[in-house]
Amino acid sequence: EDQVTQSPEALRLQEGESSSLNCSYTVSGLRGLFWYRQDPGKGPEFLFTLYSAGEEKEKERLKATLTKKESFLHITAPKPEDSATYLCALNRGGSNYKLTFGKGTLLTVNP
Amino acid sequence: NAGVTQTPKFQVLKTGQSMTLQCAQDMNHEYMSWYRQDPGMGLRLIHYSVGAGITDQGEVPNGYNVSRSTTEDFPLRLLSAAPSQTSVYFCASSPAGGLQPQHFGDGTRLSIL
Repeated sequence: EDQVTQSPEALRLQEGESSSLNCSYTVSGLRGLFWYRQDPGKGPEFLFTLYSAGEEKEKERLKATLTKKESFLHITAPKPEDSATYLCALNRGGSNYKLTFGKGTLLTVNP
Repeated sequence: NAGVTQTPKFQVLKTGQSMTLQCAQDMNHEYMSWYRQDPGMGLRLIHYSVGAGITDQGEVPNGYNVSRSTTEDFPLRLLSAAPSQTSVYFCASSPAGGLQPQHFGDGTRLSIL
């Protein structure tokens, strides 16, 4: 069974304090790993797709990386507007569109 | 751009009632899907569609029906509501060939008493 585990469950940072969120997974035949951002009362917002180990994607203060067992979402010099829940999901071979989501990491950035 | 629009935003039902959650997208996306989000759990796929007239089951399809008569609309029907279906429901869409939902609506918060 596919497993996606995100850690920590919650993270509180001071503005400018860089850190990383973790998404570890067990799956056979990974086709893609995805990161989303979700604000309270809103639907998830797509951030990144990673396809293979060693791949990196960046967007503003966020950088996502992928190894064979885990993905990291690095947040550099975060701002209060980066506060949100960050979701990790994966798609394995054999079925388009059927994603397994992690439970998310709630990030709070204090000014 | 409206993106993905879900209605209603909130709904309270009694056990045994039926209702339809509406989802519409204006991006001409082929793929649409429904997820539920429960506290302490990841998003779970209920049903999805890869085009008009084509639907398939996701991870938790029991108690729900879908149909896709147009590219734009993908309604989710609760046949006989149960308290276990209390959840936040999200509709999502993406262009054909995508591995993941790209645009989500803002959800319908449903309570079953």
